[in-house]
Amino acid sequence: AQSVTQLGSHVSVSEGALVLLRCNYSSSVPPYLFWYVQYPNQGLQLLLKYTTGATLVKGINGFEAEFKKSETSFHLTKPSAHMSDAAEYFCAVIQPSGGYNKLIFGAGTRLAVHP
Amino acid sequence: DAMVIQNPRYQVTQFGKPVTLSCSQTLNHNVMYWYQQKSSQAPKLLFHYYDKDFNNEADTPDNFQSRRPNTSFCFLDIRSPGLGDAAMYLCATSRDRAAGLYEQYFGPGTRLTVT
Repeated sequence: AQSVTQLGSHVSVSEGALVLLRCNYSSSVPPYLFWYVQYPNQGLQLLLKYTTGATLVKGINGFEAEFKKSETSFHLTKPSAHMSDAAEYFCAVIQPSGGYNKLIFGAGTRLAVHP
Repeated sequence: DAMVIQNPRYQVTQFGKPVTLSCSQTLNHNVMYWYQQKSSQAPKLLFHYYDKDFNNEADTPDNFQSRRPNTSFCFLDIRSPGLGDAAMYLCATSRDRAAGLYEQYFGPGTRLTVT
């Protein structure tokens, strides 16, 4: 079965600093990986996804993630944090199940950005 | 814009009083999901519809039911809400696996309070 581990339930950075949110996965099949962002009292918004092809994936709001099979990782980065990036971030992997795709989420990382 | 809509955004109900949450979509996706998300936790899948086929997660309490009268609408019924059912309820949609598209699209959520 697929699983996701997010290292660090809380990450705090200064505005303008590098953002690094860590995600490791376990998958018995070639993984399809996602990062979602959730702002307070909102639903989840897709930041980026990896399915096949290029291992460096660019998403919205300046975020990117690199799929590293040898490390079973899919870490999320952004070169320069903005105050508006403060949110909860979820890494997820697909678990194929019949005709649909079940999302297996990590526990989430809350990102705080301070001036 | 194509989207997933949830109504109401905030719902207050009394202990034991049935409540219905609604979700509609303009994406024409054939899979619809209901998640429960408690504070500082990842979303937990309750069930999903693959077209008209209902699929319950093994650990979803019987107190939670769902209806999908047509492709666009899906309802979550909580027959006798307890204090432990207070949470954010998220609706999501996706294409099926045959479409080769794997991401889920989330609505803004309904925050349920039980008094």
